[in-house]
Formats: sequence, C-alpha cells, structure tokens
Amino acid sequence: SQTIHQWPATLVQPVGSPLSLECTVEGTSNPNLYWYRQAAGRGLQLLFYSVGIGQISSEVPQNLSASRPQDRQFILSSKKLLLSDSGFYLCAWSLARGSTTSSKVYEQYFGPGTRLTVT
Amino acid sequence: EDQVTQSPEALRLQEGESSSLNCSYTVSGLRGLFWYRQDPGKGPEFLFTLYSAGEEKEKERLKATLTKKESFLHITAPKPEDSATYLCAVQVFGSARQLTFGSGTQLTVLP
Repeated sequence: SQTIHQWPATLVQPVGSPLSLECTVEGTSNPNLYWYRQAAGRGLQLLFYSVGIGQISSEVPQNLSASRPQDRQFILSSKKLLLSDSGFYLCAWSLARGSTTSSKVYEQYFGPGTRLTVT
Repeated sequence: EDQVTQSPEALRLQEGESSSLNCSYTVSGLRGLFWYRQDPGKGPEFLFTLYSAGEEKEKERLKATLTKKESFLHITAPKPEDSATYLCAVQVFGSARQLTFGSGTQLTVLP
C-alpha cells in the first residue's frame, strides 16, 4: 500500500529565515505530487504540483518555491519567510485512473501535514 | 470561475441524530466530486468519489449522493467518533490535476 510522509510535523521560524519542508511517497511510482496550504477555517489552496522529476507548476505567485529532485520526493522552500506564510502545509499524491485521457480522475491522498508558525 | 460552497459551516448533533451536509458547486464541467474527512491537526482522509448525477456511495454511517448542482453527505445515527471537518472538492474537465475545495463543514457529535 502507498504511504506519504511529511516532516517536520511542526515548525516555528522567525520572519526572514529560510524554509524547507519535505514530502516523500512510498509504494508507488511516477505519482503526481501536490503542495497545498490550509489557512484556519478555510479550504485548501493549491500551491504547486508536479507530474515528474524537475517538472513544477505554480498555481499561486508567492514567496515559496517547490522542487522535485527524485520521483517520490517533493520539497517546499522559501528563502525568506513572511508572517503571511504561516499555515498548515499539506502534501498530496495521485495517480491517473481511466482508460482514456478524457476520463482520467485524479483522486488525491494527503500526508499528515506540517504546521508552520512564522514569528 | 469554479466555486464550491459547503453548508452549514458548523453542525452539532446528538449521538444518533441523523443529518446531511451540503456541497453545492458551480463549475464549467464536472469530472468528479470528492469527499474528505479531516481530523484536527491532520491531513484530509479520502472518503468518496462521485462521477455523475444520481450516483451514490456508502461507507459505514456515511452516504454521499450527487445531483447536477450539489452533493449531500448523509450521516445516519452518528457517533462521537464521526466528529471531524468534512471537505468536498471538485475536479473539472480541462483541469485534470487541480481540485477546487470548499471551506468544509465542522461536525460535532455529542454523546
């Protein structure tokens, strides 16, 4: 079965410091990978997704970047954190299902999350 | 713009008191609708995928239904362990990798 790991679980960082959050997936190959941010009491906002090594798409211009150095590893980074970067960060993976491109449905499975507090 | 609205924002039930959560959507073309359960401080847990109007899925005390405008998550005889935030999300044609999420319904089941 597939499992997804995120670390650290919690992080407190000062404004202006760098950030590196890591996500790894086990039990599957060539997954699509995603980074989301969830603000308190709100839905999930897609930040980045990746369909393969070195392939990153950004959904929201911001102070963050993502990289995928290995097939099952996804990293979220920042050079200088802002107060507004605080939140709950979630990594997710998916595989395509369906017999044709038009019928593919991407169910996404989430990791345990990282609670980031910028002070 | 694709929109997903969940109601109510919060719901308190007595144990055994059945109810329904609503997810209404306005999208260009629905490919799939997903329900997730999220416990405090944890990542969302996948529950169901619904593809077309009239479809129903069941899991224990939960049943999800889908119409052309909305989805319902029916909870029958809930227990305190059903307390969580329930999220719905949609995937549309032409945006195969992106899910649009609602803000969720926070369900509390009192013993």
